[in-house]
Amino acid sequence: DGGITQSPKYLFRKEGQNVTLSCEQNLNHDAMYWYRQDPGQGLRLIYYSQIVNDFQKGDIAEGYSVSREKKESFPLTVTSAQKNPTAFYLCASSNFLQGNYGYTFGSGTRLTVV
Amino acid sequence: KNQVEQSPQSLIILEGKNCTLQCNYTVSPFSNLRWYKQDTGRGPVSLTIMTFSENTKSNRRYTATLDADTKQSSLHITASQLSDSASYICVVSAGGSYIPTFGRGTSLIVHP
Repeated sequence: DGGITQSPKYLFRKEGQNVTLSCEQNLNHDAMYWYRQDPGQGLRLIYYSQIVNDFQKGDIAEGYSVSREKKESFPLTVTSAQKNPTAFYLCASSNFLQGNYGYTFGSGTRLTVV
Repeated sequence: KNQVEQSPQSLIILEGKNCTLQCNYTVSPFSNLRWYKQDTGRGPVSLTIMTFSENTKSNRRYTATLDADTKQSSLHITASQLSDSASYICVVSAGGSYIPTFGRGTSLIVHP
């Protein structure tokens, strides 16, 4: 079955460390996105990518970095510059060229700073 | 600025009862509107998607309506079940934009 996979489900980070969250999709979607979700708040866009080797900053990109070397993969690195990284991170993909239908989310990664 | 407002922010109902969630938007030009269900600690799952020409769409006990003139949508849940307890998110996409606009969601709790 086609889908979008995030790993790990839970991640613990010590202060000062960089960590990378994985996001892989086999839906042949052209666009991929990273969102952050905090308790009681809506989703906030971190980065998005329309095509391979290209990505754009979202509303809260500071302290995060991404890469898009393959169509299927869009990893997110939470750097030590991100002052409050504890949150639930969601990856999504969509088929923009088909009217942005099929906007699909992964199951999320919960990151906790210890 | 594109905005999506959802109401109520939270809702508590008894099992077996019906409920209706509201979504008002100011996204332009309108492309499509989706309702998602998000269980605690999980990713959002799509319930329905509607385009400009669609007024009603059903998915099992979920029925979404769209009034493109007033820019309003509703999600009606029939005969609620305990498993309906979740956050329901309204998402509106503008034509030509990669980035949809998200509502903050309505938190629904179904009590036995």
